[in-house]
Amino acid sequence: KAGVTQTPRYLIKTRGQQVTLSCSPISGHRSVSWYQQTPGQGLQFLFEYFSETQRNKGNFPGRFSGRQFSNSRSEMNVSTLELGDSALYLCASSLGWTSRSYEQYFGPGTRLTVT
Amino acid sequence: GESVGLHLPTLSVQEGDNSIINCAYSNSASDYFIWYKQESGKGPQFIIDIRSNMDKRQGQRVTVLLNKTVKHLSLQIAATQPGDSAVYFCAENKETSGSRLTFGEGTQLTVNP
Repeated sequence: KAGVTQTPRYLIKTRGQQVTLSCSPISGHRSVSWYQQTPGQGLQFLFEYFSETQRNKGNFPGRFSGRQFSNSRSEMNVSTLELGDSALYLCASSLGWTSRSYEQYFGPGTRLTVT
Repeated sequence: GESVGLHLPTLSVQEGDNSIINCAYSNSASDYFIWYKQESGKGPQFIIDIRSNMDKRQGQRVTVLLNKTVKHLSLQIAATQPGDSAVYFCAENKETSGSRLTFGEGTQLTVNP
């Protein structure tokens, strides 16, 4: 079974631009979560989508948004990029409908650098 | 907000020794506690979990201990191997929060041959 895939793997943007990251979950998984990983803040939850609906949202500004498609693939968007948005963005998928929804499978991440 | 934290940022052990990685948590309402392993260039990988009503759970070469009295979680790795070198994170989950995980700061485990 193929794992979680994320595209692109690396991205360089300038301040003020926007960016869209993509995530394809494991086949059969309906929940997709996004996390931001930085050396200073560690792993922080952004949001979770389940069956095309945002089920949970972390404490991030409205510049961070996401969506999920009917095939469970997900995208996240960051508008008006700031230097502090430079991070590794991780996508994780899980079945989402069982009590073990915390057992998530992570992709390799997208390394975003904002200059 | 509440978070799950680790005591030591780094841990160095000799190959074959047992490793113990610790974590202190503050949210007594969490239902599950989970350990993840992150190797360089990869995303975190699920290792083992423990429900909040349990004290101990064993897996293959790993054991997780939960002490709710002092809000402490630990991961024990038996016969540590070079392939165990990675950053280890503890995380917590509440069933009502779906898949949402709150991660601790991580411990870099280095296994010396």
